[in-house]
Order: sequence, then C-alpha cells, then structure tokens
Amino acid sequence: GNSVTQMEGPVTLSEEAFLTINCTYTATGYPSLFWYVQYPGEGLQLLLKATKADDKGSNKGFEATYRKETTSFHLEKGSVQVSDSAVYFCALEEGSGGYQKVTFGTGTKLQVIP
Amino acid sequence: KAGVTQTPRYLIKTRGQQVTLSCSPISGHRSVSWYQQTPGQGLQFLFEYFSETQRNKGNFPGRFSGRQFSNSRSEMNVSTLELGDSALYLCASSLSAPRGRNIQYFGAGTRLSVL
Repeated sequence: GNSVTQMEGPVTLSEEAFLTINCTYTATGYPSLFWYVQYPGEGLQLLLKATKADDKGSNKGFEATYRKETTSFHLEKGSVQVSDSAVYFCALEEGSGGYQKVTFGTGTKLQVIP
Repeated sequence: KAGVTQTPRYLIKTRGQQVTLSCSPISGHRSVSWYQQTPGQGLQFLFEYFSETQRNKGNFPGRFSGRQFSNSRSEMNVSTLELGDSALYLCASSLSAPRGRNIQYFGAGTRLSVL
C-alpha cells in the first residue's frame, strides 16, 4: 500500500535559519502530494500542494518540489521565524474510479528559538 | 462557512469506560475521516466514512468504531478504554473531490485522557 516517511523530530532551529524537512513516499501510480501544518492547539491545515512531477508548491515562504525520480517532496524555507514552530505533515493522495485515498506521514515537529 | 466542529474538546475517562466523540463536517462535505495523534506514534489513521458507509479502515482494534449519519455528521466510539487510548482525536472532512483537490479540513480535535 501507499506510505509516507518523514524525518524524525523534533527539529530545532534558530530564527532565520534554513529549514528542510524530508519526505519520501511509496505509491503505485502518480499521486498528488501535500504538506499540512498543525499549530499548537489546532487541527491540521493545508500548507501547499503539488499534483504532478516537477511541480513546485509554495505558500508563506515554504516550498516543496515534486521529485518523481527520487519519490520525494521535501519541505524548505529560507529563513524560519518563531511563528513557524508547529508540526508538519507530508501527505499523498492517490486513487481511481472517483475515490482518492489520502495517506499522512506521522509528522515532524519544528521548534524555532529566538 | 463554518469549519469542522468536534465535541467535546476535552474528556477525562477511567479505564474500562467507553466514550463517544462527535464530528460535524463542513456543509456539503460527505467524507469524514478520523485520526489518533499521540507524541509517540504521531498521526494514525482510524477510519473514513462516506455517505454513511465505512470506506477505509486503519489498523486499530475493534474497540474503535464509528458511524456516519445521513447529514454527514460522524461519531467515533471507543469501548473498554485503556490508558494507551489517551490521545488527541482529530476529525477531517473533505469533498471527496477529483485528483489533486481532495483537501482535508480538520477540526481542532478532542483531547481524551484515560486515568
């Protein structure tokens, strides 16, 4: 079946540091890929997405590029802020016949210190 | 448009009891999924309901069950609670849309503590 693997957390960075959170996936076909973010005390919300190979999703300074050759969708940000402290989830969507199944990674916690 | 509403926000139960959690999806969304989130295991998929039918199920024991009503509202039940069931339970709704548009909208969760 499909699966998503994320790097273990927590990831601790100083403000203005460069961020990379690794995500690799296993799927039988050509999934769509997503990053969700969960701020403290809240549910998950969509951060960005990419629907086909070489697509780049971006939002709030975060970027991720759909790499089919390496089955990866790593999340990056050039300069993190304290307000980026949250848990980040990589997810894939794949299906057929009108039903798209979503599979989430277990999440990576990011802590940004001033 | 109202978001996904989960009730109650917090629950405290003792071992052996049972609990029912409720989720009201965004209006028009027919798919509702449930997840368990713990510090050790991260986010784990429980099950998904679509038009009152369970469409997908994760790897949890039979003590975890759910249902969906005709108005798409969903409930999750856990019987014979164990200490390890302490977790944040999240509900997500979606349109069950075509490829690439199947965005999941999450509620804030129900925090269950089992003593």
